[in-house]
Amino acid sequence: EAAVTQSPRNKVTVTGGNVTLSCRQTNSHNYMYWYRQDTGHGLRLIHYSYGAGNLQIGDVPDGYKATRTTQEDFFLLLELASPSQTSLYFCASVGGRGAETLYFGSGTRLTVL
Amino acid sequence: QQKVQQSPESLSVPEGGMASFNCTSSDRNFQYFWWYRQHSGEGPKALMSIFSDGDKKEGRFTAHLNKASLHVSLHIRDSQPSDSALYFCAASEQGGSAKLIFGEGTKLTVSS
Repeated sequence: EAAVTQSPRNKVTVTGGNVTLSCRQTNSHNYMYWYRQDTGHGLRLIHYSYGAGNLQIGDVPDGYKATRTTQEDFFLLLELASPSQTSLYFCASVGGRGAETLYFGSGTRLTVL
Repeated sequence: QQKVQQSPESLSVPEGGMASFNCTSSDRNFQYFWWYRQHSGEGPKALMSIFSDGDKKEGRFTAHLNKASLHVSLHIRDSQPSDSALYFCAASEQGGSAKLIFGEGTKLTVSS
């Protein structure tokens, strides 16, 4: 089965702090995504990428940067973390667009104090 | 701005009962629909997809799509306690942006 690994599993930081969330997929998938999950909002797309060096803006990008360094690795950066970014973050990957299903990691729970 | 809306917000059914979920899209560009399931402490996993009008059955799970009304539903017969989870409807445009838009989710509790 397709594998998507996220790290860390849990992260606590303070307001104004820098945070980097990591995601690696070993599925040779082209597309990778960062979502945040909040009660009442479901999963909301932050950023996504078609391949190494590519970055597309999602639906809730404010306060987030992302970088796709290789086919396998996709990072989400919070340079000045705020309490509103306290959430559960998921990375996902898919091989092609349109018809294929997403494979999700196990998530990173981020708390900004 | 939510383009995919789900109902109900939560659902409780007895073991062996039928669980039904509804999803409505506000964007006629959406052509591909999925149902995802998320157990506590895990990431979402794809349950089934439906791209054509009508019913699609996979074991105890049946999805129904009506593109004219932008409505998709999921029915689970003979519900089991292991089906207790958060269920998401998701949609994307035909051959399009690769963006998958999720609904708010429905929490299912199956009591034994």
